Amino acid sequence: EPEVTQTPSHQVTQMGQEVILRCVPISNHLYFYWYRQILGQKVEFLVSFYNNEISEKSEIFDDQFSVERPDGSNFTLKIRSTKLEDSAMYFCASSEDRFSGNTIYFGEGSWLTVV
Amino acid sequence: LAKTTQPISMDSYEGQEVNITCSHNNIATNDYITWYQQFPSQGPRFIIQGYKTKVTNEVASLFIPADRKSSTLSLPRVSLSDTAVYYCLVGDEGGKLIFGQGTELSVKP
Repeated sequence: EPEVTQTPSHQVTQMGQEVILRCVPISNHLYFYWYRQILGQKVEFLVSFYNNEISEKSEIFDDQFSVERPDGSNFTLKIRSTKLEDSAMYFCASSEDRFSGNTIYFGEGSWLTVV
Repeated sequence: LAKTTQPISMDSYEGQEVNITCSHNNIATNDYITWYQQFPSQGPRFIIQGYKTKVTNEVASLFIPADRKSSTLSLPRVSLSDTAVYYCLVGDEGGKLIFGQGTELSVKP
């Protein structure tokens, strides 16, 4: 079964440092997403991306965050200057299409710890 | 107003059938109902999706009554490894999934 892959699985970074989380979505999928989950809390939407631009973003996705599809396979989330409260599990996801009835598949997550 | 409502937690024993019901009174005409499973420190995993009546796959069944205002995820003969959080999601909010708190299922031996 095709899957979304994410790297790194775990990263520890110092406050103020830049972090890039990488994802390889499922190959024929056109929509890409980032979600995050702070320990013990629910999964929260960050951003969706289609046709090389952001489709939608939440209020969490402020100027500290950016996304990019640098080549035909990778999809990245960059956090410019990390804060302690950015510590969370970050999930990449992808789907074939955006319409209801279309399944969104998640990766296993990148656990970010900001110290 | 919450889009879906489901029990916060459920307990079961190995070998039992577990039914988790989700209410979604404001479901829109073209909304699908999707269930995900999440283990600690892992990504949500798609279980099943349906629009109406009954859908069955190799791991679960999904029952949706005619009015579509609720749905029931049925897990046959659960095992310890089915202990997880189960999320019911309705529609895709224009391309994004909105997760609630989910139902924490605990399967005991």
